Amino acid sequence: NAGVTQTPKFQVLKTGQSMTLQCAQDMNHNSMYWYRQDPGMGLRLIYYSASEGTTDKGEVPNGYNVSRLNKREFSLRLESAAPSQTSVYFCASSETPVRYEQYFGPGTRLTVT
Amino acid sequence: QKEVEQDPGPLSVPEGAIVSLNCTYSNSAFQYFMWYRQYSRKGPELLMYTYSSGNKEDGRFTAQVDKSSKYISLFIRDSQPSDSATYLCAMRRSGGSNYKLTFGKGTLLTVNP
Repeated sequence: NAGVTQTPKFQVLKTGQSMTLQCAQDMNHNSMYWYRQDPGMGLRLIYYSASEGTTDKGEVPNGYNVSRLNKREFSLRLESAAPSQTSVYFCASSETPVRYEQYFGPGTRLTVT
Repeated sequence: QKEVEQDPGPLSVPEGAIVSLNCTYSNSAFQYFMWYRQYSRKGPELLMYTYSSGNKEDGRFTAQVDKSSKYISLFIRDSQPSDSATYLCAMRRSGGSNYKLTFGKGTLLTVNP
């Protein structure tokens, strides 16, 4: 039982390049989330998907897009990376939108130069 | 004023000490209070959860919520080196479509053998 998996673990991009961060969960959870974690800023919600087929903006959605591919997978896309998007990105899932417990993946460390 | 304030530390204690970690918040609508533990270069994991006011104990860990003061605490008794991690408080409103968890910035704790 892998829980929440994320790929890649590390990535270096040049300004303007694009990339997609992948996330998958095997817990049959309905809700999935993308966060970024920056020193001194804590965890901030980028986008979330309350259930398959729905996505909504979180606190810091600018510069990102998401796709809920199916119940298991939720991807985050950076269309034109900027140095301000250098961060650690975490994907999380929960059984339902109202469940307080979120299960986090191991994170993707992204550097944009 | 930020919705959730948490002293980032760092906090360094000797093994066996009692540790007190705290968060204050400004939004009186918060009803669910959580503590997540995050080891270095890992994703956060839920440690404790409390609904509304009161205390909850789990082994060496006690979570307290004082809604009148908008103050939550996590106490760790007989701290161990394995408790060394960043501790994040998180909060959520109840009801409606308020799925978002609001996190504190995290407190880095080191327990020295």
